[in-house]
Amino acid sequence: SAVISQKPSRDICQRGTSLTIQCQVDSQVTMMFWYRQQPGQSLTLIATANQGSEATYESGFVIDKFPISRPNLTFSTLTVSNMSPEDSSIYLCSVEGGQGRRTDTQYFGPGTRLTVL
Amino acid sequence: QKEVEQNSGPLSVPEGAIASLNCTYSDRGSQSFFWYRQYSGKSPELIMFIYSNGDKEDGRFTAQLNKASQYVSLLIRDSQPSDSATYLCAVTSGTYKYIFGTGTRLKVLA
Repeated sequence: SAVISQKPSRDICQRGTSLTIQCQVDSQVTMMFWYRQQPGQSLTLIATANQGSEATYESGFVIDKFPISRPNLTFSTLTVSNMSPEDSSIYLCSVEGGQGRRTDTQYFGPGTRLTVL
Repeated sequence: QKEVEQNSGPLSVPEGAIASLNCTYSDRGSQSFFWYRQYSGKSPELIMFIYSNGDKEDGRFTAQLNKASQYVSLLIRDSQPSDSATYLCAVTSGTYKYIFGTGTRLKVLA
């Protein structure tokens, strides 16, 4: 089965600071995705990250607020910048494909629970 | 705007009963359909996928797809308390983008 890890698993941060979340996959994948899930809500796609190109952001999300890096085919980071309490959420990375996984299906990491005070 | 709709629930069923979860979608061009299970405080876990009209069975789970009516459903037979979770429906279109529904919370009563 898929092994997708995220760091940190949770954090409590002060308003105005930034947090970088890491996502590591056990095998090479082309597509990686970052989602936000606010309490009691469904998943909202923030951006799609392909290796070697700029991330593609969804409506309502901008690079200055959520810069993303994708330096290779097994790793990505999402930074939540200049945080406010409204950024308190669970942040999830997901991948399509990889060893032992379907290429047309998304598999999720365990998530990062962020609380902003 | 492309949408995926689910009843938020909670849907309560007694242990051993059949739980029926429904999902409708707006984009007729949707091609792939997925059901994820999400336990409280955990990330979504894929349990079923379906591409063609009709039924697809996997153990106690059956996914049903009706493209003409634009709905997909998930049946859970012999429901167990461990099935209590939120079930998310996801749909992809020709743009290969996932759209998630808001999820249905299922409670299986022992």
